[in-house]
Amino acid sequence: QSVLTQPPSASGTPGQRVTISCSGSSSNIGSNTVNWYQQLPGTAPKLLIYSNNQRPSGVPDRFSGSKSGTSASLAISGLQSEDEADYYCAAWDDSLNGPYVFGTGTKVTVL
Amino acid sequence: QVQLQESGPGLVKPSQTLSLTCTVSGGSISSGSYYWSWIRQPAGKGLEWIGRIYTSGSTNYNPSLKSRVTISVDTSKNQFSLKLSSVTAADTAVYYCARVWWELYPDAFDIWGQGTMVTVSS
Repeated sequence: QSVLTQPPSASGTPGQRVTISCSGSSSNIGSNTVNWYQQLPGTAPKLLIYSNNQRPSGVPDRFSGSKSGTSASLAISGLQSEDEADYYCAAWDDSLNGPYVFGTGTKVTVL
Repeated sequence: QVQLQESGPGLVKPSQTLSLTCTVSGGSISSGSYYWSWIRQPAGKGLEWIGRIYTSGSTNYNPSLKSRVTISVDTSKNQFSLKLSSVTAADTAVYYCARVWWELYPDAFDIWGQGTMVTVSS
């Protein structure tokens, strides 16, 4: 049911920069803010980025978000082994008064 | 700090109603700055938003589940609950409860429960 499309996987070596894309439409990303979540194996998701490009307290500044039109992206600079996780974009969808939609998810592997 | 904890049966029979409760500790569920949601994740798959409730009782549901979902809040117990009727194997998933502090993190889930696995099987 995901209406936000992400690449299924991304990878990099320690210290590299990795970028994850999130493609949506005018009813979700195009008209609402984007959030990003990190899900480490076997754990609940954690808020990583909110309001397109804001980091909650405690999130390293290696993580950054951006949005343009109906797409968004998450960048991880200085990739570390502990960044190996699943990443999900998300946004409210204005069609039919919702729902809140998540992306398809991207598995980041640190080589 | 605020913590969320899901509870409820781990096994539900097909066609029955799945019932889960999320207990909020370390803070009041009644603050007007929050709303509360349920989200689920089938094994090896992505996240699906189920619905949300404000402490006023106002709700919004995922249209794909709306006919089967009821979310309610009990402020006296600092809990909110999920009921999903007529379940099938497709409803087997880890169910999470989560908070949105809309003044600080608009429409972003800043606190999550650890999740509870629910299997639908006879």
